[in-house]
Amino acid sequence: QVQLQQSGTELVKPASSVKISCKASGYTFTSNYMHWIRQQPGNGLEWIGWIYPGNGNTKYNQKFDGKATLTADKSSSTAYMQLSSLTSEDSAVYFCARQWGTPFAYWGQGTLVTVSS
Amino acid sequence: EIVLTQSPTTIAASPGEKVTITCRASSSVSYMYWYQQKSGASPKLWIYDTSKLASGVPNRFSGSGSGTSYSLTINTMETEDAATYYCQQWSSTPLTFGSGTKLEIK
Repeated sequence: QVQLQQSGTELVKPASSVKISCKASGYTFTSNYMHWIRQQPGNGLEWIGWIYPGNGNTKYNQKFDGKATLTADKSSSTAYMQLSSLTSEDSAVYFCARQWGTPFAYWGQGTLVTVSS
Repeated sequence: EIVLTQSPTTIAASPGEKVTITCRASSSVSYMYWYQQKSGASPKLWIYDTSKLASGVPNRFSGSGSGTSYSLTINTMETEDAATYYCQQWSSTPLTFGSGTKLEIK
């Protein structure tokens, strides 16, 4: 069965960076787009961007240009998102989601990132 | 950017009641997608291509609409349906979501 296993909770300092992971299993990792979505506390959902692991192509929501960098490791079927220059505004739950016909057919369990000194 | 406006923001319904959530798009979209999210959990795909139920979704749910106006309807509310529902469009980037409708049991 399809599974997206995300890395654990992160507590990071302002101005630093963090890299969170999403390990895929149960399907051909290189053949489906992987999306990333942000959910700030008590707020709705924002699309960050996608990566196509087969060739590494990416597309970002302009809002997250320069903030998020998406990569993928085909050998381990793992997608990554690095967030840089972190501020309190970046404190949120981040989800990966596999596109399969529809953009967000399968979701990871979410990774909580808390930015605090 | 296509803005999706959901209404109502919050709604309370009694078991057996009919519930309708609407989603209006700032520009015409080809299809609408709906997600259910319960507290502390990941969203789940609920309705795709405007009116198709995702796997495991009870048939008391339905979706309809076209252009800039879409809706999700629950024919007879059940306690397990209490959740937040989000609409989402895929017609243009950035992909956008509505702000959510919180459905509570009365």
